[in-house]
Amino acid sequence: QKEVEQDPGPLSVPEGAIVSLNCTYSNSAFQYFMWYRQYSRKGPELLMYTYSSGNKEDGRFTAQVDKSSKYISLFIRDSQPSDSATYLCAMGGRGGSEKLVFGKGTKLTVNP
Amino acid sequence: DTGVSQNPRHKITKRGQNVTFRCDPISEHNRLYWYRQTLGQGPEFLTYFQNEAQLEKSRLLSDRFSAERPKGSFSTLEIQRTEQGDSAMYLCASSLQGANTEAFFGQGTRLTVV
Repeated sequence: QKEVEQDPGPLSVPEGAIVSLNCTYSNSAFQYFMWYRQYSRKGPELLMYTYSSGNKEDGRFTAQVDKSSKYISLFIRDSQPSDSATYLCAMGGRGGSEKLVFGKGTKLTVNP
Repeated sequence: DTGVSQNPRHKITKRGQNVTFRCDPISEHNRLYWYRQTLGQGPEFLTYFQNEAQLEKSRLLSDRFSAERPKGSFSTLEIQRTEQGDSAMYLCASSLQGANTEAFFGQGTRLTVV
């Protein structure tokens, strides 16, 4: 079993839809949880950064962490074609951003 | 430019040749990380530096790979005797020291070994 599991999709939604992206993990030592967005042939761009369980909202993006279930989610409201990208979840232990473990990424397409 | 800068953006090399990539981190960041990303996969950790000290190396980093950060600023990643399996995107990231700090990535160097 990989430390971080993420459904690679692809996921295709109409513009304006609510998108739900998820990752599960097996390592209880993870304490920091991130979502990165990666456009084709570009580097990952940090979207959300959360510590431990709970919710964090930033504009149209909401990140949720449920440590008891070892499950994290990213919700995108009012999705736009510009949101079309690969979304990577990443996790860190006590050291935070040291040695991040990434999921495979979910490829999202938002259709106009 | 205040982001992480990587050069070159693309590199095509023949099998067996040596290649070197450069990363310039965000100026106030004292931690620097190297990751490798192959097609359809998430980035995989290779190594990281705190200032000039290399603190951890992944088992993915074979003897043909070496990374340096001599003055605690920019870093280089060298691959000797390249193999086709080395073809990947090599990503650099940087962060401040400490647990609750975010890592920011550069645009990567895409290596193709032919």
